[in-house]
Amino acid sequence: KQEVTQIPAALSVPEGENLVLNCSFTDSAIYNLQWFRQDPGKGLTSLLLIQSSQREQTSGRLNASLDKSSGRSTLYIAASQPGDSATYLCAALDDYKLSFGAGTTVTVRA
Amino acid sequence: GAVVSQHPSWVICKSGTSVKIECRSLDFQATTMFWYRQFPKQSLMLMATSNEGSKATYEQGVEKDKFLINHASLTLSTLTVTSAHPEDSSFYICSARTGSTYEQYFGPGTRLTVT
Repeated sequence: KQEVTQIPAALSVPEGENLVLNCSFTDSAIYNLQWFRQDPGKGLTSLLLIQSSQREQTSGRLNASLDKSSGRSTLYIAASQPGDSATYLCAALDDYKLSFGAGTTVTVRA
Repeated sequence: GAVVSQHPSWVICKSGTSVKIECRSLDFQATTMFWYRQFPKQSLMLMATSNEGSKATYEQGVEKDKFLINHASLTLSTLTVTSAHPEDSSFYICSARTGSTYEQYFGPGTRLTVT
């Protein structure tokens, strides 16, 4: 059974600092790894999806890396802004099923 | 593209009653739809997977007689919470997938409160 862990559970940084969010998964036989953003009381917004054959994906200030062999993915957010405050979830897809981590709640202080 | 809607966005019902939540894929045909539940400050937990025209497959620990799932068309799946109790209060999120890709597209969620 796939277990997905996210560390830290919460993070508070001053505006402008770079963010590093970690995600680990136990079964490396995944099809893809996806990062989501969730605002309080809202649904999921897909940020980046990394296929199993890829090492990283970039979109604007966001960069996500994937190391299947070690079962790790990292989401980097450059030059954080207060609007980046949210919970970030990673999810690993295997056997047609998405397994989610518990999330990292980020607060960016102005 | 790849938009998924849910209705209602929030619902309050009394204990013992049933409530139906709809999940629609608006601009694509969804061969598979998924239902998740999220308790406060916890992550999403998969409840069941449904393929169009087939019975849903429920995850371990999810009562299939309590959470009825119907996937009658390629654009609509419904989740009915029967005889709801306060402990069923949660955020329910659906997602949909086409047959050509593994990626799931998520709906905005439905907040259920059982009083």
